[in-house]
Amino acid sequence: GENVEQHPSTLSVQEGDSAVIKCTYSDSASNYFPWYKQELGKRPQLIIDIRSNVGEKKDQRIAVTLNKTAKHFSLHITETQPEDSAVYFCAADSGGYQKVTFGTGTKLQVIP
Amino acid sequence: DTAVSQTPKYLVTQMGNDKSIKCEQNLGHDTMYWYKQDSKKFLKIMFSYNNKELIINETVPNRFSPKSPDKAHLNLHINSLELGDSAVYFCASSLMDNEQYFGPGTRLTVT
Repeated sequence: GENVEQHPSTLSVQEGDSAVIKCTYSDSASNYFPWYKQELGKRPQLIIDIRSNVGEKKDQRIAVTLNKTAKHFSLHITETQPEDSAVYFCAADSGGYQKVTFGTGTKLQVIP
Repeated sequence: DTAVSQTPKYLVTQMGNDKSIKCEQNLGHDTMYWYKQDSKKFLKIMFSYNNKELIINETVPNRFSPKSPDKAHLNLHINSLELGDSAVYFCASSLMDNEQYFGPGTRLTVT
């Protein structure tokens, strides 16, 4: 089955700096890679996603890159703000009736 | 107009009891899920239903029994609750191979 590794598990950055979270996956059939943000006491919510036919996607301060050959994808947050503080989960979906496999989460703290 | 709703939000019960959590989505999605999130925040899939059919059943004790009466509902019944069942349980829904929408979660505490 699919195995998704996520690093780092915790990340502290100064406000205004960039943050990068990296994930690797094992199943080459995975073709959909969402990123979810979970604020304290709240539900996970999608912030950005990428499909395997695209190498990079950007939405304002958030970008995701995908390297299918190396089987890794990354989340980039620029100009971090205190409200970016949350737990971030990557996931890999191999489509059809296969399950979505989540990474173990990264707790991001943005220090004002 | 809540997309995915769960009841109850909090559930405190004693060991050995039986309890149920209900989930409903009004997004017209064909796939629904149950996840368990433990104290370390790991999101572990338990079950997945597509059009009322069970398609994923992870290694979960058979004390946990999902039931999908229709495409918009997926309930979770737990028998003989144990201390280790304490966690936050999230329901989610999606169209296959697309973004999952999560419910607000049910915090289950077993004493």
